[in-house]
Amino acid sequence: DTAVSQTPKYLVTQMGNDKSIKCEQNLGHDTMYWYKQDSKKFLKIMFSYNNKELIINETVPNRFSPKSPDKAHLNLHINSLELGDSAVYFCASSLTRNTEAFFGQGTRLTVV
Amino acid sequence: AQSVTQLDSQVPVFEEAPVELRCNYSSSVSVYLFWYVQYPNQGLQLLLKYLSGSTLVKGINGFEAEFNKSQTSFHLRKPSVHISDTAEYFCAVLSGGYQKVTFGTGTKLQVIP
Repeated sequence: DTAVSQTPKYLVTQMGNDKSIKCEQNLGHDTMYWYKQDSKKFLKIMFSYNNKELIINETVPNRFSPKSPDKAHLNLHINSLELGDSAVYFCASSLTRNTEAFFGQGTRLTVV
Repeated sequence: AQSVTQLDSQVPVFEEAPVELRCNYSSSVSVYLFWYVQYPNQGLQLLLKYLSGSTLVKGINGFEAEFNKSQTSFHLRKPSVHISDTAEYFCAVLSGGYQKVTFGTGTKLQVIP
């Protein structure tokens, strides 16, 4: 029974395309996140939602747009993909804003 | 501001030897501290956390960490490592008043048979 699940696991696409990554958590958590992990394993938060409300929006290009239809889902849509967007994207959730995060398995995005 | 420093990018250690992975943080307020482990091609898994109370925290897989406020450190230790401990380890901090966790750059633990 996967706690935080994201799809797809792998995504290969061409520059300029638009793609989405979906995330769902069945833990009943209030807060959800998107993190980006680059090739050097550096993890950086991109967005955070609390009860469907955006609370953190780091300096991420406008091409990235998160959407939270309900508390259990946080999707990430990326427009006009660029080579530099290639990375592993992790969805995570936490009970509240001040508790530890539980991570999904990641989506490896490769832009060619 | 809050930040985390993991000085060692790689730590090779022989199987059954002890290991310490170092983590130092910077914050002007009270902190919560975490260690996560990432196995190849997987997500991050919480090893242990310090929220308050005892400064020695025990986690899963035989790991423990000690919170040292005066040295602003939260080093991770294991008395005897196994091959299966080979992974990337991330230290993370969440400061009071902040709403996001800041991760260190990670330490790759390589257990040598």
